[in-house]
Amino acid sequence: KNEVEQSPQNLTAQEGEFITINCSYSVGISALHWLQQHPGGGIVSLFMLSSGKKKHGRLIATINIQEKHSSLHITASHPRDSAVYICAVPPVGNQFYFGTGTSLTVIP
Amino acid sequence: EPEVTQTPSHQVTQMGQEVILRCVPISNHLYFYWYRQILGQKVEFLVSFYNNEISEKSEIFDDQFSVERPDGSNFTLKIRSTKLEDSAMYFCASKSRQGGETQYFGPGTRLLVL
Repeated sequence: KNEVEQSPQNLTAQEGEFITINCSYSVGISALHWLQQHPGGGIVSLFMLSSGKKKHGRLIATINIQEKHSSLHITASHPRDSAVYICAVPPVGNQFYFGTGTSLTVIP
Repeated sequence: EPEVTQTPSHQVTQMGQEVILRCVPISNHLYFYWYRQILGQKVEFLVSFYNNEISEKSEIFDDQFSVERPDGSNFTLKIRSTKLEDSAMYFCASKSRQGGETQYFGPGTRLLVL
């Protein structure tokens, strides 16, 4: 059983499109992370949020703690947004849980 | 801007050899982490470290693994006798305090065990 589920697994979009990536989790958490993994492998932390919504540039992350669901939105997508986006929940007990990632390709 | 650094960027080793992966966390950070990502798979938590001791570890982090903060700046992951299945990208991360702080990731060390 996966504690963190992401959808879709793969996503191809045209430049300029609005993109949504979803994350559902089954464990109780206090906060959730969205990470971006570049094609070269490096990981960048995008957001950590525990309620409501956060915005950073063209990226928006929302979370609904009661429904155990978070979404990452990208407005006006650009080819440089192409990456794997990972949802992760911080330790509960002895484990971090990571989603399998959503591979996004934005076509010019 | 401060960043987490890791060395080496790539390492190739023979099965059974010991490897040490090095990380320099951001200087005022107090919480340190190691993760690994086997090619094509999701990122997995290995261990967290605070106040010079392990605070959390996963099932993956068995007796073959150890971590150390030898000199107050470096944070190392040692694999005593590498196995083929240890081949992965290893990421170090750090954060400044407990609770509402994001983790900062290093660029990773790609380990290949032959």
